Amino acid sequence: AQSVTQLDSHVSVSEGTPVLLRCNYSSSYSPSLFWYVQHPNKGLQLLLKYTSAATLVKGINGFEAEFKKSETSFHLTKPSAHMSDAAEYFCVVKNRDDKIIFGKGTRLHILP
Amino acid sequence: NAGVTQTPKFQVLKTGQSMTLQCAQDMNHEYMSWYRQDPGMGLRLIHYSVGAGITDQGEVPNGYNVSRSTTEDFPLRLLSAAPSQTSVYFCASRRGQGIAGNTIYFGEGSWLTVV
Repeated sequence: AQSVTQLDSHVSVSEGTPVLLRCNYSSSYSPSLFWYVQHPNKGLQLLLKYTSAATLVKGINGFEAEFKKSETSFHLTKPSAHMSDAAEYFCVVKNRDDKIIFGKGTRLHILP
Repeated sequence: NAGVTQTPKFQVLKTGQSMTLQCAQDMNHEYMSWYRQDPGMGLRLIHYSVGAGITDQGEVPNGYNVSRSTTEDFPLRLLSAAPSQTSVYFCASRRGQGIAGNTIYFGEGSWLTVV
């Protein structure tokens, strides 16, 4: 069965330091993988997606993620955190059967 | 381009009342779905539709009904509201099945409190 595990429910970083949000998945097929961001009281916005092209995917607002098949991981990174990055982040996997699974989310806190 | 529009944004209901959350999309997407979001549980699928006239149950369908009479609209009905249905509800849409990597578009959410 497919699943998505976001390894940290909360991550705190100082402004200007790197961000790492971890996501592991299990899938029987080559999946499509997404990261979404949700700011307080807002809907979910697509940050980036992987669809079996380049394994390093660049998204909006300076975020990027690397698909590592051997590690079944799709971690989200950003070189330098900004206060506006404080939000909840969701890792999402979609298989060829079109079933979509959401991770439980990681809340990112930015310390001044 | 409006995308996915949900109404209302906030609603307070009394136990036993019924109501309908409206969802409309203007992207001609075949696939629409309703999720509920609860703390620490991510998003859970309530119902979904792969096209007009076709609906199916998701992970947590009990207490909810849906219909899909047009491609654009996918309302969610709470039949007899219960406090356990206090949650944030998101409508989502995307292009049809079998398209790798097709982006899921979300509405802004509906905050529902049942007292």
